[in-house]
Amino acid sequence: DAMVIQNPRYQVTQFGKPVTLSCSQTLNHNVMYWYQQKSSQAPKLLFHYYDKDFNNEADTPDNFQSRRPNTSFCFLDIRSPGLGDAAMYLCATSRDRSLGQHTDTQYFGPGTRLTVL
Amino acid sequence: DAKTTQPPSMDCAEGRAANLPCNHSTISGNEYVYWYRQIHSQGPQYIIHGLKNNETNEMASLIITEDRKSSTLILPHATLRDTAVYYCIVRVPKGYKLSFGAGTTVTVRA
Repeated sequence: DAMVIQNPRYQVTQFGKPVTLSCSQTLNHNVMYWYQQKSSQAPKLLFHYYDKDFNNEADTPDNFQSRRPNTSFCFLDIRSPGLGDAAMYLCATSRDRSLGQHTDTQYFGPGTRLTVL
Repeated sequence: DAKTTQPPSMDCAEGRAANLPCNHSTISGNEYVYWYRQIHSQGPQYIIHGLKNNETNEMASLIITEDRKSSTLILPHATLRDTAVYYCIVRVPKGYKLSFGAGTTVTVRA
């Protein structure tokens, strides 16, 4: 089945130690998104790639970076994780950002839960 | 994107229909209504979306009022696996962002 895969499902890192989360997709979608979801809160978009074009949200901290080496893979890098970065990180994909007057459906992976010690 | 209002929680009995309301009184004519749900510790799952007409798929039905200021998601025969947080989201055309609100926590009881 075509799907969005996130590895690992659980990641533990130390305060200040760089960490990378990965996402892959077999849907061949053009757009990949990273959302952050803190405990008991709704998901919040950090940034997205439209093909190779990176689009950062205005309020995303500089500590968060992303790479998309090819269509299938996208990485989230946290350069110096703080305790406040502990959260579920969700990867999503969509075929396109827009198709005429239609918004395109986003499909989510299972998420990676990050713990910062 | 238009703001949505949902009840914070609701219970329903297994096997019965679950009707989840959403108010979006400031919706514009070209904005879509989307529903996602999130089962505990999983990623959000797309359910259904619509613009003006009622929509149905294998998961649910979406009823949008004629003035488009509110909608109802209907799960026809709720099961225990439908226990989740349900998000109603209004999106503009060509909008890429999903702006999640607080959602409704639905608990299906045996």
